Amino acid sequence: DAGVIQSPRHEVTEMGQEVTLRCKPISGHDYLFWYRQTMMRGLELLIYFNNNVPIDDSGMPEDRFSAKMPNASFSTLKIQPSEPRDSAVYFCASSYGRPNTEAFFGQGTRLTVV
Amino acid sequence: GENVEQHPSTLSVQEGDSAVIKCTYSDSASNYFPWYKQELGKRPQLIIDIRSNVGEKKDQRIAVTLNKTAKHFSLHITETQPEDSAVYFCAASQEAGKSTFGDGTTLTVKP
Repeated sequence: DAGVIQSPRHEVTEMGQEVTLRCKPISGHDYLFWYRQTMMRGLELLIYFNNNVPIDDSGMPEDRFSAKMPNASFSTLKIQPSEPRDSAVYFCASSYGRPNTEAFFGQGTRLTVV
Repeated sequence: GENVEQHPSTLSVQEGDSAVIKCTYSDSASNYFPWYKQELGKRPQLIIDIRSNVGEKKDQRIAVTLNKTAKHFSLHITETQPEDSAVYFCAASQEAGKSTFGDGTTLTVKP
């Protein structure tokens, strides 16, 4: 398996634009997590899904952020409208069987909002 | 909610020495404690983990200890090598899946 795949690797966008980040979890994994990493706030869990259903979205910073998982092999994190303070590295991770077990991270998407 | 504190924020050791990183957590419901290593520009990768029913776990040069009563756990790296240089994150996770990460420790191993 190629591991968790995220796209794009880098995204530069202007303030106010919509941004969509994409993730393909490891095949067979039933948990998917979205994290955000910044120097100021460290690594934060935004939302996680189990069998494509959002379980806990309490980490989503505000209504401008939304996440979907239409099927077991694809998830998106959307920011609309984007703001400079959204600049960060966004990681997707997946795990199998239970949420509190090893999470396999993707390479991340480095988002820069100018 | 859960609060995880990690110390020190930076650690510099000579090659061959040991390195110890400590974390404390606040929520007794947390029962899974992974440690991730993140090299510059790379993804976090699990290096070792421990569950609350175990007090210590070892994997070659890496060990983790857990004190549930005191709510703290530690990462021990022995015989450090330059390739151990990275940022190390601890985390506390609950059965419901909520994970809280420490702020990270930048470890530098000097050859």
